[in-house]
Formats: sequence, C-alpha cells, structure tokens
Amino acid sequence: QVQLVQSGAEVKKPGASVRVSCKASGHTFTSYYIHWVRQAPGEGLEWMAIINPTGGSTTYAQKFRDRVILTRDTSTSTVYLELSSLRSEDTAVYYCAAYSSRWYPWGQGTLVTVSS
Amino acid sequence: DIVMTQSPDSLAVSLGERATINCKSSQSVFSTSNNKNFLAWYQQKPGQPPKLLFYGASTRESGVPDRFSGSESGTDFTLTISSLQAEDVAVYYCHQYSTLPHTFGQGTKLEIK
Repeated sequence: QVQLVQSGAEVKKPGASVRVSCKASGHTFTSYYIHWVRQAPGEGLEWMAIINPTGGSTTYAQKFRDRVILTRDTSTSTVYLELSSLRSEDTAVYYCAAYSSRWYPWGQGTLVTVSS
Repeated sequence: DIVMTQSPDSLAVSLGERATINCKSSQSVFSTSNNKNFLAWYQQKPGQPPKLLFYGASTRESGVPDRFSGSESGTDFTLTISSLQAEDVAVYYCHQYSTLPHTFGQGTKLEIK
C-alpha cells in the first residue's frame, strides 16, 4: 500500500508563501487521489484540496481557492501544496492523505507556523 | 456543503464499559455506484495524524481491534467501542467523502471515567 512522507516544519512571516511536499512510495503514484487536510492547534480537521496525479486536475475548498495551488511531479511521486498570503490563522499541521477506493494512512503532518 | 454533526463533544467512560459516538450528516453520503456510505471514522491521539478505523461506514481497517464497530442507518452513523481500554483515549472524527468539499465532524473527545 502507499506510504506518504511529508516535508519538515516551516516558519513563515505573514504575507509569505509556503510549499509543503508529500512524497508517495510503495505503489503506483498515479493510482491515488491525494487530499490535503489541515488542523489548527487544538482544533478539528479541515479539508483543503484534492489532486488527481494522473492528469493533475485539482479541486479546492472555496475558502482557499484564491490562495492555494496543488501541483505534482510524477517523476518523483511527489505532490506539492503551496499556500500564499499567509496569515496567523494559517498556523496549523497540514496533512496529505491518499484515496483509491479506500483511505490509506495519512502523512505524518507538517507544522506550518506563521509568525512575525 | 455537507455538515457532519457529532455527539457528544466529549465522553467519559469507565474501563471495560461501552462507548458510543454518533455522527449525523446533513444529507445523504450514500454512493449508488458502490452501494456504500462514503463515511470514515478516525482516531487521533496527541501529536499523531488521524488513524483510519473504518471506511464505507462499517468496513474495519486492518489491525483495528474488533472491540471497535461502525454502524449506519440512513444519515446516522455510530462508532462503538464495546469494552473501553486505556489506549482508546483519543479524539474521534467522522468524515464524509461522498461530496466535495469533504467535511469532518467536530470531534468527540473520549476519556476514562
């Protein structure tokens, strides 16, 4: 089954952008839809976006539509989440998760801290 | 968007006793193509990513103890732990993946009484 490994923690200033990576291994990269979910400190889970690695098509939650971009690199089996115009409310752990007829274990999470 | 409402928000149960967590969706999450509800349950412990317990509302993930069960009735879903163990202390979330955007319940914090 697929395993997901995410990039390390980031600290950014308000207004900056951040890029988080999610590398898949263990199975055919293009077999899985990759979702991104975030969790602010002490809060619940919030779905952000999905990418189809086969064609690269994406769907974003309305809340993030003007600030988030998902891309993928099939040569390295990696999906990237880029979030721009960061504000303090974007401080959260960002998770990637894979789906193909069922859910697979999530990535370990990437803490993004937005602070001046 | 589909709203997922969990109850209760928190729950304290004695060791060995039954714990029941409910989740209600504001509209159907049933897939006619798969003949299943697109509903998952997760367990999350501090500092860890959510761990999948069930998908398709009642299909237990490999390795999940059989004291955990998932059930469904229309737009009502239930996660039951038949005999609470200390390691079950966690926050539990339901998740609908029938329709974009996916949505989650607010979480239920389960503690030992």
